[in-house]
Amino acid sequence: DIQMTQSPSTLSASVGDRVTITCRASQSISSWLAWYQQKPGKAPKLLIYKASSLESGVPTRFSGSGSGTEFTLTISSLQPDDFATYYCQQYNSYSWTFGQGTKVEVK
Amino acid sequence: QVQLQESGPGLVKPSGTLSLTCAVSGGSIINSNWWSWVRQSPGKGLEWIGEIYHTGSSNYNPSLKSRVTISADKSKNQLSLRLSSVTAADTAVYYCARVVGAIDSWGQGTLVTVSS
Repeated sequence: DIQMTQSPSTLSASVGDRVTITCRASQSISSWLAWYQQKPGKAPKLLIYKASSLESGVPTRFSGSGSGTEFTLTISSLQPDDFATYYCQQYNSYSWTFGQGTKVEVK
Repeated sequence: QVQLQESGPGLVKPSGTLSLTCAVSGGSIINSNWWSWVRQSPGKGLEWIGEIYHTGSSNYNPSLKSRVTISADKSKNQLSLRLSSVTAADTAVYYCARVVGAIDSWGQGTLVTVSS
């Protein structure tokens, strides 16, 4: 299996902050990476696919970059609705795997 | 906008079989999509279980492959998940989802507890 490692596990930030989350793959996954946002008691929501493509309806303050084994999710200006847990996921090869999650909490 | 709704028993006994269905509305499962099941243990991360195409072609997580069956019923426009020989470690929220490259639509999820 391809292992996905996110950092940090928890991130404390304030509204308006620029936030960056990193995801590393144990082997190259090209650009087959997605980012999801999950709030308590809710299903994950797709934010970014193919490493840097913004899903329809997702605010432009979210952006993704990277290829190969290193990827980042950036929130340019954190909004109150963005406090949540974020997961990366590789869909390069079976079986698909997720990162362990990054919780963005209020500083 | 496709919608997915999971249903099934919320409690399963150890060594029993977990069976869930996923009703798909707002779209047909015979469209050119794969359909997937993902689970999330309480307070933990996400685990991909497997996926199916409407033709019946499927792929499974190797760690679960010996116990999992995913099927699709085109006449009912629904998906099914069966997981056999369950233990407490299979307690989780189970999601069905649509795959368009990444997973772009999710059901609300259903909690299944394995306990006697």
